[in-house]
Amino acid sequence: KAGVTQTPRYLIKTRGQQVTLSCSPISGHRSVSWYQQTPGQGLQFLFEYFSETQRNKGNFPGRFSGRQFSNSRSEMNVSTLELGDSALYLCASSLGQGGTETQYFGPGTRLLVL
Amino acid sequence: QKEVEQNSGPLSVPEGAIASLNCTYSDRGSQSFFWYRQYSGKSPELIMSIYSNGDKEDGRFTAQLNKASQYVSLLIRDSQPSDSATYLCAVIGTGYSTLTFGKGTMLLVSP
Repeated sequence: KAGVTQTPRYLIKTRGQQVTLSCSPISGHRSVSWYQQTPGQGLQFLFEYFSETQRNKGNFPGRFSGRQFSNSRSEMNVSTLELGDSALYLCASSLGQGGTETQYFGPGTRLLVL
Repeated sequence: QKEVEQNSGPLSVPEGAIASLNCTYSDRGSQSFFWYRQYSGKSPELIMSIYSNGDKEDGRFTAQLNKASQYVSLLIRDSQPSDSATYLCAVIGTGYSTLTFGKGTMLLVSP
């Protein structure tokens, strides 16, 4: 079974631009969660989508948004990029059936904002 | 504010030794606990999950959970240089389906 895929893998943008990242979950998984990882803050939860609905949201500004499509693929968007948005963005998928299940991570998208 | 605490390390052990990684969490109602391994420049990879008090063994890895003490640990027996990585403790808290991560412990295994 194919794992979680993320595109693009690397991205360079300038301040003020916007960016869209994509995540395809493991086949059969309906929940997609997004995380931001930086050296200083570690892994921080952005949001979770399940059946095209945002089910949970972390403590990030409104510049960070996401959506999920009927095939469970998900995108996240960051508008008006800031230098501090430079990070590894990870998505993780799970079946979506409850709070005990395992999340599997994709390879991540490394974003550099100049 | 749910918190997961880990010693940042690095924890240095010689090849063949037992490495012991520790994690504490603040949400007393947490039910699910995970250990992920992350190599530099890579994404987290699941090592073990544990849900009940006690020990759970998988090969060279043993996870230990003590909910009364809000403490979870990972033991790596016969440590190998390839085990050198950052180990992330993650917890799913009460009523949530999202992971809260510790900042990770860097493990260095010297040949």
